[in-house]
Amino acid sequence: GENVGLHLPTLSVQEGDNSIINCAYSNSASDYFIWYKQESGKGPQFIIDIRSNMDKRQGQRVTVLLNKTVKHLSLQIAATQPGDSAVYFCAETSNAGNMLTFGGGTRLMVKP
Amino acid sequence: KAGVTQTPRYLIKTRGQQVTLSCSPISGHRSVSWYQQTPGQGLQFLFEYFSETQRNKGNFPGRFSGRQFSNSRSEMNVSTLELGDSALYLCASSAKQGYGYTFGSGTRLTVV
Repeated sequence: GENVGLHLPTLSVQEGDNSIINCAYSNSASDYFIWYKQESGKGPQFIIDIRSNMDKRQGQRVTVLLNKTVKHLSLQIAATQPGDSAVYFCAETSNAGNMLTFGGGTRLMVKP
Repeated sequence: KAGVTQTPRYLIKTRGQQVTLSCSPISGHRSVSWYQQTPGQGLQFLFEYFSETQRNKGNFPGRFSGRQFSNSRSEMNVSTLELGDSALYLCASSAKQGYGYTFGSGTRLTVV
């Protein structure tokens, strides 16, 4: 996959545990944030998004938390499954812009 | 509905050649953006098109260009290929600015 050889932070969790993946974003003007999951050989897959007027948003088994004060974003995955193993990217953009700025990614490994 | 379609999936070119990659966005999406993904640099924005107009361009040399057609399909072209252009090229479409970017599976370009 694209991330072979890239030194990515790795989070290793046991199947069934909860996972928390963190991201520090760079632009205080960013007002829209997305988490993507990328499996080997595939493009990034949308997981969940959040706008800056919220600090928490929940999806199915996933929750995104946004702390604008410290420019920090986190993705929580409940009851992590082997199929959750992938590289996770946060991305930011602003309503005035039309490009995504991506974080470096975190590799999640789920041990059965 | 069909997702974002990128063709071809794989491509091998020789240094100095040029290449054209194609992206068909989700039906009804008028914004198409392109990203380059490499192990060393991660995901980087190339350019974005809306209604056949380039609205934003990333920090890439002039060898990288693109266009969008009236049916929203987009192409990107890289001329005078260099070894460092080897990457996964990803296309994303969105229905409106600053919202819900959906990625294709990418075109893996190898320059030899």
